[in-house]
Amino acid sequence: DAGVIQSPRHEVTEMGQEVTLRCKPISGHNSLFWYRQTMMRGLELLIYFNNNVPIDDSGMPEDRFSAKMPNASFSTLKIQPSEPRDSAVYFCASSFTGTGGNGNTGELFFGEGSRLTVL
Amino acid sequence: AQKITQTQPGMFVQEKEAVTLDCTYDTSDPSYGLFWYKQPSSGEMIFLIYQGSYDQQNATEGRYSLNFQKARKSANLVISASQLGDSAMYFCAMREGEYNFNKFYFGSGTKLNVKP
Repeated sequence: DAGVIQSPRHEVTEMGQEVTLRCKPISGHNSLFWYRQTMMRGLELLIYFNNNVPIDDSGMPEDRFSAKMPNASFSTLKIQPSEPRDSAVYFCASSFTGTGGNGNTGELFFGEGSRLTVL
Repeated sequence: AQKITQTQPGMFVQEKEAVTLDCTYDTSDPSYGLFWYKQPSSGEMIFLIYQGSYDQQNATEGRYSLNFQKARKSANLVISASQLGDSAMYFCAMREGEYNFNKFYFGSGTKLNVKP
């Protein structure tokens, strides 16, 4: 089965440019999460969606960041304009969250991450 | 207050020995899930083990076990018979709430080095 697919795997851009990161969650999963990982701040939750609806975007650092989930199989994280401090690995993760009793743990399945470098 | 606290930034263990990675959590929700993930140097996040707040027994998965002490709000990961391939970052995480609209919190991680 295909896992969470992220693109691009690596992106190098210049300050001020727009960056778009893409994610395809696992089919059938109904929750999607965007995380950012840096050495200084560790894993930070940026935003998460449930059934394509943004539930909590309190982790989005500022208005330069936006995320969308137009359908159950696709999400984007956009940074415009990008800054050097945005350099990080951005992870997308998905999970299935549903009613209890079915043995589902609701674990997160992570993509391989998108490494962003802003010069 | 931190939701997940991992107090060991780095640890060393001799190959073939057991090691315990500490994790404490903070929640007032009676229903929650606890997870451990491994992140090797290649960067991917690998799910290791899960413990539900209502589970009576400690979870085990092969060489991994979770020492769940609910009253102390701790969920330590025990790795038995360490192998060189266990060298990695380990993250403890918590999902609050029964299932819906739940938010995941991650600790700061523990870097484990297994010495030959």
